[in-house]
Amino acid sequence: GQNIDQPTEMTATEGAIVQINCTYQTSGFNGLFWYQQHAGEAPTFLSYNVLDGLEEKGRFSSFLSRSKGYSYLLLKELQMKDSASYLCAVRADSWGKLQFGAGTQVVVTP
Amino acid sequence: NAGVMQNPRHLVRRRGQEARLRCSPMKGHSHVYWYRQLPEEGLKFMVYLQKENIIDESGMPKERFSAEFPKEGPSILRIQQVVRGDSAAYFCASSPQHNAAGQETQYFGPGTRLLVL
Repeated sequence: GQNIDQPTEMTATEGAIVQINCTYQTSGFNGLFWYQQHAGEAPTFLSYNVLDGLEEKGRFSSFLSRSKGYSYLLLKELQMKDSASYLCAVRADSWGKLQFGAGTQVVVTP
Repeated sequence: NAGVMQNPRHLVRRRGQEARLRCSPMKGHSHVYWYRQLPEEGLKFMVYLQKENIIDESGMPKERFSAEFPKEGPSILRIQQVVRGDSAAYFCASSPQHNAAGQETQYFGPGTRLLVL
């Protein structure tokens, strides 16, 4: 079968760092995406990895290891507004449809 | 620079009625995807369309659900004879023309929250 697994919930303090792991088993691989989703709102694009390694975008970084079927999203200098669900999604084929994990709810505390 | 637009944002239907959800992709985007998000669950792919063509409908329930993306106008997701289990948030995403690697980002609309009474 095809699985995309990520932790259900993580809690961290304002100003700290949190790492959200995502493991995947899919029939193919054509890119991994991270989205942020606040309650009741649309998912917003954060990052994209297709080659192994680290992609950095301001306070957010994403890492990919294709051989291990593993990615993580690193959130630095956490702010209260970062409290949201973070979705890991894999594109397994060239058509474009995304397969999503269930999302990781990050709670930032003062 | 309007993003993906969906309407209505909220829709209430009684069991047995029809629901029509509309999606206008971002300007310049020719690919539309529909996803469903049930409460406490992840987004599930339903259908992928280009203008006047259904490319992949592997995630669509076999009955009552249909989708179109006509030459003119928005994409429509249609649910006939709705049941309580259809209550969910329905998100539309769009992307530009694919390059050879098919690696374009999908941008999501605000969703339509369907409640079936």
